[in-house]
Amino acid sequence: AQKVTQAQTEISVVEKEDVTLDCVYETRDTTYYLFWYKQPPSGELVFLIRRNSFDEQNEISGRYSWNFQKSTSSFNFTITASQVVDSAVYFCARSTGSARQLTFGSGTQLTVLP
Amino acid sequence: ETGVTQTPRHLVMGMTNKKSLKCEQHLGHNAMYWYKQSAKKPLELMFVYSLEERVENNSVPSRFSPECPNSSHLFLHLHTLQPEDSALYLCASSQDLGGALTITDTQYFGPGTRLTVL
Repeated sequence: AQKVTQAQTEISVVEKEDVTLDCVYETRDTTYYLFWYKQPPSGELVFLIRRNSFDEQNEISGRYSWNFQKSTSSFNFTITASQVVDSAVYFCARSTGSARQLTFGSGTQLTVLP
Repeated sequence: ETGVTQTPRHLVMGMTNKKSLKCEQHLGHNAMYWYKQSAKKPLELMFVYSLEERVENNSVPSRFSPECPNSSHLFLHLHTLQPEDSALYLCASSQDLGGALTITDTQYFGPGTRLTVL
C-alpha cells in the first residue's frame, strides 16, 4: 500500500512558538492530490488545504504555510506564532487523480500550551 | 443547517441491537463516504457512494450496511456489532467532477458519531 507517514505522533509547544508538522507520502502516480485536515476535540475533520502534484508552489494562508517538495515526497505544514486554539490532531492525506480514496496519515497531536 | 451533519453524535449499543447512523450534507455534492476512525489507527474508508450508487466497498463486514436514498442523505445500518467496532464514524461528501477519469473534489467531513459497543 502507498502510505502517508506522519512521524511525529505528538508535539507540544508554548504559545507563540512556530511549529512544523511533517508529512511524507508514497505514490506511484504522476497525478495526485495532497491535503491537510485539522481535527479538534469536537471530532470534525476541518479541511485546511489541497494541492495537486503539478503545483509545487508553497502556500501561505495567515499563520499557516505549506511546503511541498516533490523531490522528497514531502508536504510539511508550519504554524507560525501558534495559539492555544491550534491544539488539535492534524492529518495529512493523499488521493490519486482518478480515485476517490483518501489515504490518511496517522495524525499528529499538537498541543499548544499557554 | 450547513455543511455535513451527523446524528446521533453519541451511541451506545449492545451486540444484539440494531441501530442506524444518519448523515446529511447541505453542500449540493453528489458523492458521500463513510469512514471509521479507531484509536491509534489511520482513518479507514468504508464505503463510497456517487450519484446514489455504491462505487467502493473496502472489505467491510456485512454487519455494516450502507444506504444512500438520495444525494443528500447517507445511512449506516448496524446490526450484531462487536466491541472492536467501537470507534468514531465519520461521514464526508464531495463533488464528483466526472469525465473519463473520475475526478473528485475535496471531501468535507461531518462531526462524527462516537459509537460504543458493549
